[in-house]
Parts: sequence; structure tokens; C-alpha cells
Amino acid sequence: KNQVEQSPQSLIILEGKNCTLQCNYTVSPFSNLRWYKQDTGRGPVSLTIMTFSENTKSNGRYTATLDADTKQSSLHITASQLSDSASYICVVSAPFSMKYGNKLVFGAGTILRVKS
Amino acid sequence: DGGITQSPKYLFRKEGQNVTLSCEQNLNHDAMYWYRQDPGQGLRLIYYSQIVNDFQKGDIAEGYSVSREKKESFPLTVTSAQKNPTAFYLCASSRQTGVNEKLFFGSGTQLSVL
Repeated sequence: KNQVEQSPQSLIILEGKNCTLQCNYTVSPFSNLRWYKQDTGRGPVSLTIMTFSENTKSNGRYTATLDADTKQSSLHITASQLSDSASYICVVSAPFSMKYGNKLVFGAGTILRVKS
Repeated sequence: DGGITQSPKYLFRKEGQNVTLSCEQNLNHDAMYWYRQDPGQGLRLIYYSQIVNDFQKGDIAEGYSVSREKKESFPLTVTSAQKNPTAFYLCASSRQTGVNEKLFFGSGTQLSVL
């Protein structure tokens, strides 16, 4: 079982509507939780980074929330646009590794399609 | 125009052949990484380098090799020992490998087997 689970796997919404993507994780302890946007055939681009003490962070129309007690995060997209069509990836950073300072555990992503 | 450049965008490998994927960055970052992305799965770390002339294996290093002779460059070689090389390969960099360091990704290379 993946340590970072995202839902739904895919989602289709109409332009202008809002949507919320979910991320549940079992990585513990953790240092921070990140959301990335990945366009098809491109590399991921960072949207937000939240430490365990933060419970919300916004980046334009994107708002991420974090509940460290229940190990859940969500990414809310407001007033969706066609350009929001992409895969959204949740990433949890573990603070300790035998090899290096932190280890990133990636979710499989939620594929969002916004249609007109 | 600062960033990470990966080349080629598409690459085909014949059986028994080694191929090399290029990754160059002009962000003056110390740390560089190679990830593999397969459909329906999260990114997996192949190799990473914290500093020039040093690199460490990630979770799936078998069948791959890297070098870090220059700060700007971190090429990945997919050897013939990698039996299932078809995937999307992503190079990334960060200032250092600290806990809260932000990762910057290249545009990726799609490797396919002929």
C-alpha cells in the first residue's frame, strides 16, 4: 500500500466550477507536505509547501489544507480554468533518512480535466 | 532564462543498448536528482547528488548509472541491465538537500524500447 494515497484518480469538471482533491498519507513523522501541478508531458511545478504546523496555504486560485492529526490534505481549486487541466501530485517529505536529510514520497496523482 | 534542461524529449532504445539522458541546470543548485515516472504510480528516486563528484543510489538504482563531474550537469545512463526501461524520466534540482528545499523539475525525457 502506497504511503501517499490520492483521490479521486481522475476528475472532470466544467470550466468555472470549484473542485477539491484529496491526499491521505501514512508517512510519519513528516516534515512537510507539497502539492505539484504536472501538465501532460512536462515536469511537475510546485504549488504549495506546508510544514506540519501550517494548516492552510494559498497560491492564487489554489488553496491547500493540512490536518496533521488525521494525516489528510486537500487541494481546492476555485473558479477552474481550462489551463488547470493537469495531474496534481501530493508529496510528503519524511524528515529522516539513513542516506540524506529528507525523503520525498510521491502520490500517484489526480488527473483533472476541465472542459468548456 | 534560468531552469533545468533535459534532452532529448523522446528517446528510443534497442535491446542491449545503453542510452544516456542529459540534464543541465543553470540555477546554481548543489543538489540534483533523477526520478522515474510510470503510469499510475508516484515518482521514484533513481539517483541523487548532493555535490559535485558525489552521488548516492535512490530506491531503484539497479540498471542505471550517473556522473556529476560538473555542478551544472547530471547525466543518467540507462544500461542494458535495466530490463524494463520504458518510462518518463524527470531530472530535478534544489539548492541543497535540506528538509524544506523546493524541487525544480525539468520537462522530462520519454524513453521507449524498440
